[in-house]
Amino acid sequence: AQKVTQAQTEISVVEKEDVTLDCVYETRDTTYYLFWYKQPPSGELVFLIRRNSFDEQNEISGRYSWNFQKSTSSFNFTITASQVVDSAVYFCALSRRGSTLGRLYFGRGTQLTVWP
Amino acid sequence: DVKVTQSSRYLVKRTGEKVFLECVQDMDHENMFWYRQDPGLGLRLIYFSYDVKMKEKGDIPEGYSVSREKKERFSLILESASTNQTSMYLCASSPWIRDRVSEPQHFGDGTRLSIL
Repeated sequence: AQKVTQAQTEISVVEKEDVTLDCVYETRDTTYYLFWYKQPPSGELVFLIRRNSFDEQNEISGRYSWNFQKSTSSFNFTITASQVVDSAVYFCALSRRGSTLGRLYFGRGTQLTVWP
Repeated sequence: DVKVTQSSRYLVKRTGEKVFLECVQDMDHENMFWYRQDPGLGLRLIYFSYDVKMKEKGDIPEGYSVSREKKERFSLILESASTNQTSMYLCASSPWIRDRVSEPQHFGDGTRLSIL
């Protein structure tokens, strides 16, 4: 069975602070994909990143960075110098590589609030 | 750019009514999904479809049905609405997996449904 755990339900930070959102996953598959989505107050889920289980390189995109560690089954997301516009619910998700559907298994999400 | 359009942002219905939520995507995607989102529970998969007239139950199909008569349109039906179906409903689409690469799902803005 596939399972994604986001232990942090809510996080509050003040603008310019760095913040890390944790994601731990469980799967018996040897190959899989991991995703992060952002859901701003408007409601639409916005795709942020996809990571192949074969690729353990960390990724940086502007103020966003992702740390994938297969040894600990974690795919953590860090926002550097947070801004008010980063306030959103963030979801981590997993899909099985062999599945033609690409069904996503979501964590319960982390509500991030960035205060000015 | 992928566009997934849900027919209503907000909807209020009465207990016992038959409710239709419509979703249309413009990218010729084979896969379409319906989720419901509730506080503390994250996104839960209701139904999905991988082709016209094909459908599969997700994790919480009870009380719902779906229809996919055309590739671009996927409808969620609440046969007899109940108050516990008050929720945010999200539609998503994605292409079939090719070369075993899992593509991200693209989401609509969501429909906030209230059953009175």
